[in-house]
Amino acid sequence: QLQLQESGPGLVKPSETLSLTCTVSGGSISSSSYYWGWIRQPPGKGLEWIGSIYYSGSTYYNPSLKSRVTISADTSKNQFSLKLSSVTAADTAVYYCAAPSYDILSFDYWGQGTLVTVSS
Amino acid sequence: QSVLTQPPSVSGAPGQRVTISCTGSSSNIGAGYDVHWYQQFPGTAPKLLIYGNSNRPSGVPDRFSGSKSGTSASLAITGLQAEDEADYYCQSYDTNLSWVFGGGTKLTVL
Repeated sequence: QLQLQESGPGLVKPSETLSLTCTVSGGSISSSSYYWGWIRQPPGKGLEWIGSIYYSGSTYYNPSLKSRVTISADTSKNQFSLKLSSVTAADTAVYYCAAPSYDILSFDYWGQGTLVTVSS
Repeated sequence: QSVLTQPPSVSGAPGQRVTISCTGSSSNIGAGYDVHWYQQFPGTAPKLLIYGNSNRPSGVPDRFSGSKSGTSASLAITGLQAEDEADYYCQSYDTNLSWVFGGGTKLTVL
């Protein structure tokens, strides 16, 4: 049973870069069974897929965020990370890491989420 | 504006049946990609409720069921219970946009 846990600063200043890490336990991010992804949810709003990475290193990004997003993986630590540059107040949200299955493409496993506030 | 369209809210009395629709297009649901449903309670992460259009993960009551037809899908909840009051999201895959979600539906149990 996979377990995912987000970590990172809860407060980021406008124009700076948001950085979060997801630590995976109960399985390897080198597995071909899952992608590894990030989803966010602004307060009181719906879910927005940010991007995903596969064990091969291939990345997939939401076109609306692509110019500002980088997702990378560190197999030695069994972690994957999100960087979102030039943040504004509109990027304030709960950020979830999640694992969509390779074949069915559903998000089978989720982290608990971490609130990131963009404010000076 | 979400790629998949859901009604903002639905409601029903205990014991009743409610359905939540999810409408997509020819580049996602209509392209043959599966639809999945999530249940989210306030302050918690979404939980996979239905996968592959109509399959329930272990532990999900059979009161929950899903279906798909053409460019749309539906989640049905029978024997509505107070504990079902939550937000529900549909999700699929899009040829151009990768993973996509519906805007979410708030279920109120009257």
